[in-house]
Amino acid sequence: NAGVTQTPKFQVLKTGQSMTLQCAQDMNHEYMSWYRQDPGMGLRLIHYSVGAGITDQGEVPNGYNVSRSTTEDFPLRLLSAAPSQTSVYFCASSYPTGQGNYGYTFGSGTRLTVV
Amino acid sequence: GDSVTQMEGPVTLSEEAFLTINCTYTATGYPSLFWYVQYPGEGLQLLLKATKADDKGSNKGFEATYRKETTSFHLEKGSVQVSDSAVYFCALSNDYKLSFGAGTTVTVRA
Repeated sequence: NAGVTQTPKFQVLKTGQSMTLQCAQDMNHEYMSWYRQDPGMGLRLIHYSVGAGITDQGEVPNGYNVSRSTTEDFPLRLLSAAPSQTSVYFCASSYPTGQGNYGYTFGSGTRLTVV
Repeated sequence: GDSVTQMEGPVTLSEEAFLTINCTYTATGYPSLFWYVQYPGEGLQLLLKATKADDKGSNKGFEATYRKETTSFHLEKGSVQVSDSAVYFCALSNDYKLSFGAGTTVTVRA
């Protein structure tokens, strides 16, 4: 099983450029999320999805768009990159494990630098 | 909303020392609690978890007990090794999303 696959692993953008971070999972998990990791701030939720066609904003959504056209894919789009978006991005999928609990699978991350 | 507060680092220890990283939380209901570890240059790995009060999660010599009365989930290891050098994140979940603490960088010296 591939689990959660993120591409690319590294990316350098110029301010104002756009790009899409890809995330795909092959476990048929309903729930998917995007987090960004910044020093001293832990991981913060950007956007999440509870199923195909349904997305919602997390804690830090500004500057990012998402869509969920299939269960497998959850791409994160930066429409006009800014230096403040320099970060490490993690995609995760989650699934119920019973009794209201959930399990989580993380991708290996995308390190993005905006210059 | 839900939040996690964990001990600020960085923490530097000698090999075989005792490690404690404090974690407290604020949440509605009865969240599940987690410790994740991130080794240098790698992604997140689940270290251990607990899903209800008084549960003890354990893995690789690390332990943490879910204390509802003190809303805490402190991570401990009795004898650390150089290979334990990493960033440790405390996290909680009430549903399919996670809330993370800021992370604690631990460096173990030989």
